[in-house]
Order: sequence, then structure tokens, then C-alpha cells
Amino acid sequence: RKEVEQDPGPFNVPEGATVAFNCTYSNSASQSFFWYRQDCRKEPKLLMSVYSSGNEDGRFTAQLNRASQYISLLIRDSKLSDSATYLCVVNMRNDYKLSFGAGTTVTVRA
Amino acid sequence: DTGVSQDPRHKITKRGQNVTFRCDPISEHNRLYWYRQTLGQGPEFLTYFQNEAQLEKSRLLSDRFSAERPKGSFSTLEIQRTEQGDSAMYLCASSNRDRVLEQYFGPGTRLTVT
Repeated sequence: RKEVEQDPGPFNVPEGATVAFNCTYSNSASQSFFWYRQDCRKEPKLLMSVYSSGNEDGRFTAQLNRASQYISLLIRDSKLSDSATYLCVVNMRNDYKLSFGAGTTVTVRA
Repeated sequence: DTGVSQDPRHKITKRGQNVTFRCDPISEHNRLYWYRQTLGQGPEFLTYFQNEAQLEKSRLLSDRFSAERPKGSFSTLEIQRTEQGDSAMYLCASSNRDRVLEQYFGPGTRLTVT
């Protein structure tokens, strides 16, 4: 079983719509959680950390459910520029490496 | 540009040849990481340095792979006797001592082994 699993999508949404997707992680000892964004043939870029209480950064909201071992990302009022692959990332306690999911592709259309 | 830089950006080599990639981290970052990414997958951890010390290596890193970070500044990743399965994007990332998990990635070196 993969450590981090994501629905690959693609999620095709019109501009202005809300899109949400989850990822699940297998190791209950996972401590830190992130969402990274990766544009086609570019490097991953940190989008936001995910905190236990949930957190929001502008149009982006991240939630963590430790009991069910999943995290979610919601994008409100989608922009064309939100089209990208979103990588779910987890980290184990006392470890410095990041474990990435394979990504969820979002395409926002005009 | 004060971000992570990598060189070369693209490398095409024949099977059996050796290749070396370079990564220059963000200047104040003491931690440096190498990851590998293949098409349709997320990055996979290869190895990690704190200053000049290599602290962890993935089982993905066969004995054909070696990484160094002399003087705790730039790092090199060498692949000896390349195989077609080594074709991938090799990504370098760095982070600082205060926010070690916020890793900033370079643009990557895309390796194609023919």
C-alpha cells in the first residue's frame, strides 16, 4: 500500500467554481502535512501547511482528519491560474524527508 | 535569483555513461535534499544532508548513486553506469534550521538515458 494516495483526477471545473479533493495516508504516526502545487514540467512549490484545526489561505482551505487519516484541499472561486497538479505531502515524526502522493490534476476552464 | 538552482537542466546520456548533477541551495539553508520524480508520480526521497553530513539515504539509492555536499554548500549527485530506468527528473530541495519541513525545490535536472 502506498504511503500517500490521491485521486489523480483530472478535476475539470469552470472558472469561479469550487473544487475539493482528498488524500489518504497510511501511517498513523504521520505528524506534518502539506499541500504542494506543481505546474507542468516545473518544480513543486509549497502551497500551504495543514494544521490539525484546519486552516485557510485566501481561497484555499485545508483540513486534516487524523481519525480517518485523510487531508483535504478546497479551492473556492477557481481561477484559470489554479490549473495545476496538487501534491499531498506527509512527514513522519523525527524525520526530515517528505512523502509525496502522485498528485491530483485540476483544470480550470474559462 | 536567490532560489535553489540546479545544473544542468537537461541531460541526455547513453546507457553505461556516468553523469553528475549539481545543486546550489538557498544560501542560508543548511539542509539539502535530493528527490527523484518520474512521469505521473510524486517526488521520491533519495538522500538528505545537514550541512556537509549525509544523514539518510533511501533504499532507492543503489550503489551506482553517490551524493556529496563538500563544505556544506552546493551538492552533487553522481550516477555511474546509467541505466534506462534512471531516466527521471532529479529534484533538489533545501530548508533552513527553523522550518526544516518547508522545503523549497529547484527546477530539477531532467535525465534521459538512451
